[in-house]
Amino acid sequence: ETGVTQSPTHLIKTRGQQVTLRCSSQSGHNTVSWYQQALGQGPQFIFQYYREEENGRGNFPPRFSGLQFPNYSSELNVNALELDDSALYLCASSLSGAKNIQYFGAGTRLSVL
Amino acid sequence: EDQVTQSPEALRLQEGESSSLNCSYTVSGLRGLFWYRQDPGKGPEFLFTLYSAGEEKEKERLKATLTKKESFLHITAPKPEDSATYLCAVQSTDSWGKFQFGAGTQVVVTP
Repeated sequence: ETGVTQSPTHLIKTRGQQVTLRCSSQSGHNTVSWYQQALGQGPQFIFQYYREEENGRGNFPPRFSGLQFPNYSSELNVNALELDDSALYLCASSLSGAKNIQYFGAGTRLSVL
Repeated sequence: EDQVTQSPEALRLQEGESSSLNCSYTVSGLRGLFWYRQDPGKGPEFLFTLYSAGEEKEKERLKATLTKKESFLHITAPKPEDSATYLCAVQSTDSWGKFQFGAGTQVVVTP
């Protein structure tokens, strides 16, 4: 049990819609990272938030955005959904400086039709 | 750019048949190498962190080792419950926070 929870577990959207995925980090963890995992692939880094500010971003377009809140929760927002956005979205929380171990939630499975 | 390559892509073992998984990496400066286990439909579960060449970590039937170019995950006398996808990730000194993952090795252990 990592103490990282994500909601919802599954989501179905249509192309062009917008979606918000939520994550509750482990208590005390000041850093949250979001990853996209396509079927049969390893997780791909989307971005990281540290103390409510984005401090690193992978090769994802600006329609992927996020927020981190003081209560250890965070959001991933995706606008103008495309079919290729169908994937498992994972959030991982960590404590900056504490050996950088990232603890993952169970993920949100997003299907775009 | 950081790169991680895992081999083999898939591995089928008989219960008790020991084997090793490989993770080759290219990174400007290694901050840490991480091994995770992922069950179908679940998030990755942390197993080990290795920080410098020569380091080894053990947990039950699993042992992870690290050199300057690669890491191995040795599975000794596996059981069916060791069936999972094993993921390797590196974190470089140039990209604080970002984990670069490999595609994983899917391990199936049959009784």
